[in-house]
Amino acid sequence: AQSVAQPEDQVNVAEGNPLTVKCTYSVSGNPYLFWYVQYPNRGLQFLLKYITGDNLVKGSYGFEAEFNKSQTSFHLKKPSALVSDSALYFCAVKSGGSYIPTFGRGTSLIVHP
Amino acid sequence: GAGVSQSPRYKVAKRGQDVALRCDPISGHVSLFWYQQALGQGPEFLTYFQNEAQLDKSGLPSDRFFAERPEGSVSTLKIQRTQQEDSAVYLCASSLDRGTYEQYFGPGTRLTVT
Repeated sequence: AQSVAQPEDQVNVAEGNPLTVKCTYSVSGNPYLFWYVQYPNRGLQFLLKYITGDNLVKGSYGFEAEFNKSQTSFHLKKPSALVSDSALYFCAVKSGGSYIPTFGRGTSLIVHP
Repeated sequence: GAGVSQSPRYKVAKRGQDVALRCDPISGHVSLFWYQQALGQGPEFLTYFQNEAQLDKSGLPSDRFFAERPEGSVSTLKIQRTQQEDSAVYLCASSLDRGTYEQYFGPGTRLTVT
């Protein structure tokens, strides 16, 4: 079985400050991890993924995520938040033997001017 | 290039009516997924196609739900005798293959059953 937890329903940050959106996972075997962003009335857009290799993954719009195997975490980060980053963020995981990803409940990021 | 498109974007159905939701994936994408997204939740898996073959339909909530992808491109999700609990956003996603590839999502169809 595979599962994802996003412990924060909402994250508030001031524009220009660093942001972190948390994600922890549970999976058998090696995890494939993904972050997606969803703007109002839009589908999910892919941000970045970890499959193997460097633990720090860089993605779209200046976002990055750090894979931590010992803590089973894959937190999303950005050094300097923009108001336009305000959206819903979803973490997803799948095992190497599965083709179906499991999504978290989502975290609403609100960046204040 | 063109992304994943879905139609209609919004559908209001009276309880008991049948509905059909369409998905046009990105050209050349082998894998196609359908998800159901309730308000305040993440996408929940419904069914998966690899080309025209429906390899997994374990997420379909009842036998009122049926999906097809007859030519390995466009897919249709059909819901028969709609119920109020079917109200949700239905998302379609495609990917190059089922392995490590990320998914590309359509804008979704918001179904409201009255």
